[in-house]
Amino acid sequence: EDQVTQSPEALRLQEGESSSLNCSYTVSGLRGLFWYRQDPGKGPEFLFTLYSAGEEKEKERLKATLTKKESFLHITAPKPEDSATYLCAVQAGNTGGFKTIFGAGTRLFVKA
Amino acid sequence: GAGVSQSPSNKVTEKGKDVELRCDPISGHTALYWYRQSLGQGLEFLIYFQGNSAPDKSGLPSDRFSAERTGGSVSTLTIQRTQQEDSAVYLCASSHGAGTGELFFGEGSRLTVL
Repeated sequence: EDQVTQSPEALRLQEGESSSLNCSYTVSGLRGLFWYRQDPGKGPEFLFTLYSAGEEKEKERLKATLTKKESFLHITAPKPEDSATYLCAVQAGNTGGFKTIFGAGTRLFVKA
Repeated sequence: GAGVSQSPSNKVTEKGKDVELRCDPISGHTALYWYRQSLGQGLEFLIYFQGNSAPDKSGLPSDRFSAERTGGSVSTLTIQRTQQEDSAVYLCASSHGAGTGELFFGEGSRLTVL
């Protein structure tokens, strides 16, 4: 069964304290791995897509990396406005469909 | 509109009543997804539509849940005989097409079953 597991469930950082969020996955026929940001009361907002092991994407203070079994979202010198829930998702297409499966998310709190 | 639109934004209903939730995707997007998000939880896949293909209903939790998509655009998620455990935020997303990855989400419909 396709599965996405994120850790930690919650992460509290001081402003400027860099860290990483983990997403491990087990899927048949991986077509892509995605990172989304979700603010309270809002729908998720797309951040990155990664397609193959070794690929990296960057956006401001965020960098996403991918291996064959997991992805990391690195946050460098975070600011309070980076506080949100970060969701990892995989798109698996082995059965002919393109279902996108989400992990439970990591709630990030950045204190000034 | 420019984004995915969902209505109602909030719905309070009594146990046993039927509810309909509506999603208007971004114009031109052929793929449409419904997810459910319980308080503090991740997104639970419900159903996926792609063009004129048969929908992937593998995530629907029971036969009380159904969804349709008319004319390849607007979708309605129907929950019959609602139960308290159905209380959640129901999120709709659309994308350019199958396998293109990025999903554009609406703000969600918050359902509360009393």
